[in-house]
Amino acid sequence: NAGVTQTPKFRILKIGQSMTLQCTQDMNHNYMYWYRQDPGMGLKLIYYSVGAGITDKGEVPNGYNVSRSTTEDFPLRLELAAPSQTSVYFCASSTQDSNQPQHFGDGTRLSIL
Amino acid sequence: AQTVTQSQPEMSVQEAETVTLSCTYDTSESNYYLFWYKQPPSRQMILVIRQEAYKQQNATENRFSVNFQKAAKSFSLKISDSQLGDTAMYFCAFMASNTGKLIFGQGTTLQVKP
Repeated sequence: NAGVTQTPKFRILKIGQSMTLQCTQDMNHNYMYWYRQDPGMGLKLIYYSVGAGITDKGEVPNGYNVSRSTTEDFPLRLELAAPSQTSVYFCASSTQDSNQPQHFGDGTRLSIL
Repeated sequence: AQTVTQSQPEMSVQEAETVTLSCTYDTSESNYYLFWYKQPPSRQMILVIRQEAYKQQNATENRFSVNFQKAAKSFSLKISDSQLGDTAMYFCAFMASNTGKLIFGQGTTLQVKP
């Protein structure tokens, strides 16, 4: 089982560039999440999805967009990269059962210069 | 809004000794879950232990146990017989039931010394 797979693992962007962080899971989980982790801090929720075609904002959605066309994939889009978006991004997935833990990907380290 | 506070940015412990990491939270929810996650230098997020708020009994997982004080909104993690592999950042997290959304604390960096 691959679990939650994120690509790329590292990326450097210039200010104003755009990119998509990919996330896919093979556990047939309905719920998927995007978090960002700034240095020395905990994770903050950017966006989440409870199923294909359904997305909603988390704590820090500004500057990001998401889509959920399939159960497996949940890409995160940065349209105009800004230095404040330098962070490590984690994708996670879970079942609908609140008793079950979220499964995390290995993260994408993104630097905006 | 829910908040999670970890007041110890860094801690250290000698190998084989016991250490306790603190966490407090604030919520008006009655049904929720609490978690401790471990993040080693590899950056992986690893679930250590979880507690359902409706359960009075404290959760345990091998060398890891919690002290859950619901009235005080406190959820501390005790690591017994500390091992070098326990060196990591530890995050306390809260989730209101049926939301799926985790709220994380700022983290505590734990160093286990030989």
